[in-house]
Amino acid sequence: DGGITQSPKYLFRKEGQNVTLSCEQNLNHDAMYWYRQDPGQGLRLIYYSQIVNDFQKGDIAEGYSVSREKKESFPLTVTSAQKNPTAFYLCASSSADSGGNQETQYFGPGTRLLVL
Amino acid sequence: KQEVTQIPAALSVPEGENLVLNCSFTDSAIYNLQWFRQDPGKGLTSLLLIQSSQREQTSGRLNASLDKSSGRSTLYIAASQPGDSATYLCAVMGSWGKLQFGAGTQVVVTP
Repeated sequence: DGGITQSPKYLFRKEGQNVTLSCEQNLNHDAMYWYRQDPGQGLRLIYYSQIVNDFQKGDIAEGYSVSREKKESFPLTVTSAQKNPTAFYLCASSSADSGGNQETQYFGPGTRLLVL
Repeated sequence: KQEVTQIPAALSVPEGENLVLNCSFTDSAIYNLQWFRQDPGKGLTSLLLIQSSQREQTSGRLNASLDKSSGRSTLYIAASQPGDSATYLCAVMGSWGKLQFGAGTQVVVTP
């Protein structure tokens, strides 16, 4: 079964704590992305990675960190510097067509992060 | 900076009616435009992808049009069913695979 998995489904963070959200894909995609979704808003890009050992900041990277040590994995750490972390976090991946353009993104089921 | 707007924010129709969802964007320099469906508390499912060189794309009861020059796309869903109830998100792809999303249209189809 090919796809993207995210864990956990729900995550609770205490004040001052770092937490890590997992994202794994077995689609053999080079590119992976992390988005944040707040109620009534569209998705906003946090970080993205085009290739292993390389990643770029998106529109709202402050308070977050990522790593891309393996092609299939792109974990997101929400640090204590992120003052308003409560949101729905979505991971996605995509491949490039023969012209180098990114094709459609496939999304995981999401992780809901709540602050205690 | 690219801005993507979806109107209306919410829509309720009786079963069998056709749905028309609108998406507008400010910068016409896009690689493609995508429509996604999101069920409550779930991830996104890709519905249609229209390349910048295309005018429309069809899949079953779904048809999406793209007018780059006016910065608009429309998603048509024919003969709506209660199972079509979801939030529909439009996204435009700019430089290197980065998607810019609209806030979505929440659709309710009543039996």
